[in-house]
Amino acid sequence: NAGVTQTPKFRILKIGQSMTLQCTQDMNHNYMYWYRQDPGMGLKLIYYSVGAGITDKGEVPNGYNVSRSTTEDFPLRLELAAPSQTSVYFCAISSVGTGELFFGEGSRLTVL
Amino acid sequence: GQNIDQPTEMTATEGAIVQINCTYQTSGFNGLFWYQQHAGEAPTFLSYNVLDGLEEKGRFSSFLSRSKGYSYLLLKELQMKDSASYLCARANTGRRALTFGSGTRLQVQP
Repeated sequence: NAGVTQTPKFRILKIGQSMTLQCTQDMNHNYMYWYRQDPGMGLKLIYYSVGAGITDKGEVPNGYNVSRSTTEDFPLRLELAAPSQTSVYFCAISSVGTGELFFGEGSRLTVL
Repeated sequence: GQNIDQPTEMTATEGAIVQINCTYQTSGFNGLFWYQQHAGEAPTFLSYNVLDGLEEKGRFSSFLSRSKGYSYLLLKELQMKDSASYLCARANTGRRALTFGSGTRLQVQP
């Protein structure tokens, strides 16, 4: 039972390149989230999903896209990477009860 | 808005007690979480308060006052391993996702 698995853990992109951050869960939770965390800051919500086929924007969605075709997977797509997207990205899931979040280990992205 | 305020940094001595405060706007509030985050790692859950009062869990306790929009995390018998960032996060009515504060970086000194 791995919980939440994110890949890759580290990536360097050039400005204008595109990539997908993968997130997979094996806990069968409906709710999944993508947050970004800039150095010394809290987490900002990018997108979230309440179930397969349903996604919605968070606080900072510009420059990103998501899809949720299965319960297990919630990939985050960066189109035309910009230096402002240099950050650590965390995927998280939550249970039905309190809404407590369980986080993946994070993906550290640098855009040069 | 859902602004969450907490101190940026705190320093405390090993063996001592430290209190980390968090204030938030009360509109749409539906619960308060505390997370611990060591450098380079993901946040991990510490506590959850939805009703007023104190929740105790070993060396850590968390307090909530809903009417005042105020919470604190109390860490007793500080250990060096408690050096980390502590994130206050609120749950919001009608929306599943948590809103996070910027975190308080705690440094425990010998």
